[in-house]
Amino acid sequence: GAVVSQHPSWVICKSGTSVKIECRSLDFQATTMFWYRQFPKQSLMLMATSNEGSKATYEQGVEKDKFLINHASLTLSTLTVTSAHPEDSSFYICSAYLGDLGARQYGYTFGSGTRLTVV
Amino acid sequence: RKEVEQDPGPFNVPEGATVAFNCTYSNSASQSFFWYRQDCRKEPKLLMSVYSSGNEDGRFTAQLNRASQYISLLIRDSKLSDSATYLCVVNRGGGFKTIFGAGTRLFVKA
Repeated sequence: GAVVSQHPSWVICKSGTSVKIECRSLDFQATTMFWYRQFPKQSLMLMATSNEGSKATYEQGVEKDKFLINHASLTLSTLTVTSAHPEDSSFYICSAYLGDLGARQYGYTFGSGTRLTVV
Repeated sequence: RKEVEQDPGPFNVPEGATVAFNCTYSNSASQSFFWYRQDCRKEPKLLMSVYSSGNEDGRFTAQLNRASQYISLLIRDSKLSDSATYLCVVNRGGGFKTIFGAGTRLFVKA
């Protein structure tokens, strides 16, 4: 249980275009979703916290106008990279907080990630 | 200083060895602690939560020291399949935000 489906798995786009990444919680309601970015050989960096029905909270240094987050329902959160540039090429992962569902399910579940390459 | 710091890697150990990772966190209000495992180009997967009293899951033992603000992960009888990056994850405190350590690479060799 507690699966987050993330699409697409990988995408190549031209510089200047926009890319939308979707994360769906399949068997639970994700009130809060987190979006991370991971550059090669670096750790996951939290970009923003997405709460259903309200505006996302962005971490310092993350441009909210460039990384549009929408969490319109309890099962869907989207991240749109607008006017993508090569420096936006990265691995983007969403994560949903599961709360305390038992010792082995306490924590967060992650989408499978989206590898974005901007050329 | 980073909010969460981990042992630098990589750790290269033979099969059957015992290996320990440490992780320190700077926010004393941190409330929840986890170890995640991440394989190359894959999403992180929860390995285990870390409880105040320490906890064990098979070959894996996690410890928390609130006074010194560090957590540890001990892997006994290392297997080839344990080769991965181990991420220390700390709840920032007061909410659900989590901060990831940079990860420690582990290579277990035959």
